[in-house]
Amino acid sequence: SAVISQKPSRDICQRGTSLTIQCQVDSQVTMMFWYRQQPGQSLTLIATANQGSEATYESGFVIDKFPISRPNLTFSTLTVSNMSPEDSSIYLCGTCGGQPQHFGDGTRLSIL
Amino acid sequence: DAKTTQPNSMESNEEEPVHLPCNHSTISGTDYIHWYRQLPSQGPEYVIHGLTSNVNNRMASLAIAEDRKSSTLILHRATLRDAAVYYCSYAPNAGGTSYGKLTFGQGTILTVHP
Repeated sequence: SAVISQKPSRDICQRGTSLTIQCQVDSQVTMMFWYRQQPGQSLTLIATANQGSEATYESGFVIDKFPISRPNLTFSTLTVSNMSPEDSSIYLCGTCGGQPQHFGDGTRLSIL
Repeated sequence: DAKTTQPNSMESNEEEPVHLPCNHSTISGTDYIHWYRQLPSQGPEYVIHGLTSNVNNRMASLAIAEDRKSSTLILHRATLRDAAVYYCSYAPNAGGTSYGKLTFGQGTILTVHP
């Protein structure tokens, strides 16, 4: 199964700033996803990261707030832009390619 | 919107079977049912998935109702390491593969007593 590394593992940021989260997979995967897990809640899909094209966003999430890159089959980034305290969550990367989806351990983000 | 519903919490004793229910009466007839579990400070871990037939693997069994409106995750002998949040989720059938984007339920917190 794929090994997924996310960086940073946690961060504390000031409101109004932006943070880019990286997701690195140890093998090529066809599909990569970004999820948000608000405190004490379940996971909600933000978007599907598509290689070589714009990400596909779920209802309630927009590119200006959560720009995503996926330059190749092993790497993706999620940027949380113009952060507010409501963005304090765990952000998780999920990947799959012919096997069940695997997840990184997430990035724990706190906004002051 | 389709969704899954689960009890907020359940308790079990070590070495006993655990049946975790999930209602998914509004999912599409082609959606796959997936179960994941999550330990504190970790990402979700895949447990099992199925479409219509009951499924078994080394971790658990999945019993899917004939009408597909509900399913039950069965842990045959709970251990302390099985204490986690269990998520019932579903994924669209994308070209014959069940491994697409996941929609998670709210999860059941399983407590296992020694």
